[in-house]
Amino acid sequence: DTAVSQTPKYLVTQMGNDKSIKCEQNLGHDTMYWYKQDSKKFLKIMFSYNNKELIINETVPNRFSPKSPDKAHLNLHINSLELGDSAVYFCASSQRDSPYNEQFFGPGTRLTVL
Amino acid sequence: GDSVTQMEGPVTLSEEACLTINCTYTATGYPSLFWYVQYPGEGLQLLLKATKADDKGSNKGFEATYRKETTSFHLEKGSVQVSDSAVYFCALSEYDMRFGAGTRLTVKP
Repeated sequence: DTAVSQTPKYLVTQMGNDKSIKCEQNLGHDTMYWYKQDSKKFLKIMFSYNNKELIINETVPNRFSPKSPDKAHLNLHINSLELGDSAVYFCASSQRDSPYNEQFFGPGTRLTVL
Repeated sequence: GDSVTQMEGPVTLSEEACLTINCTYTATGYPSLFWYVQYPGEGLQLLLKATKADDKGSNKGFEATYRKETTSFHLEKGSVQVSDSAVYFCALSEYDMRFGAGTRLTVKP
């Protein structure tokens, strides 16, 4: 059973398009995250949702909009894609009040903007 | 704010060599500390963790000890294998998770 899943795994698109990445977790966690990993493997948090409410919104362009229909899902919609958006995007989840607050990661979505 | 600093890579070792990847942290309170591993083409996986001073986390032959006096959580392995080639991330969690920049390890046969 996959704990945190993301679709699609690969996404190739043209500049200016709008695209979405979906994330689902079956761990019963109350908090979900989106991270961006650049080509040098640096991991940057973008958003964090706790019980469907936004709790972290780091400095990202407002072209990026997360949507959480329920606790188990956190989708990422990107408008007007730019070349610099090319990266690997990871979804993660955690249980915020657990002793460790460790995060569980999805397999990633590699976005390539041409 | 909280932060993690880990040694820059890449690190290249021969099989059976000893590994140390340094990690130091800055935090206002008492964070939990983690090492995550990312194998090529995959997401991050938790490797080991520790929640309080002097705790030792261990898994798959890797170890790290939570040192409050030196604010460190160095990753060690006595004998690396080719299959250990990956990117390793040190992280802390106090209010939110903070990751280091990652260290790429390549182990040659």
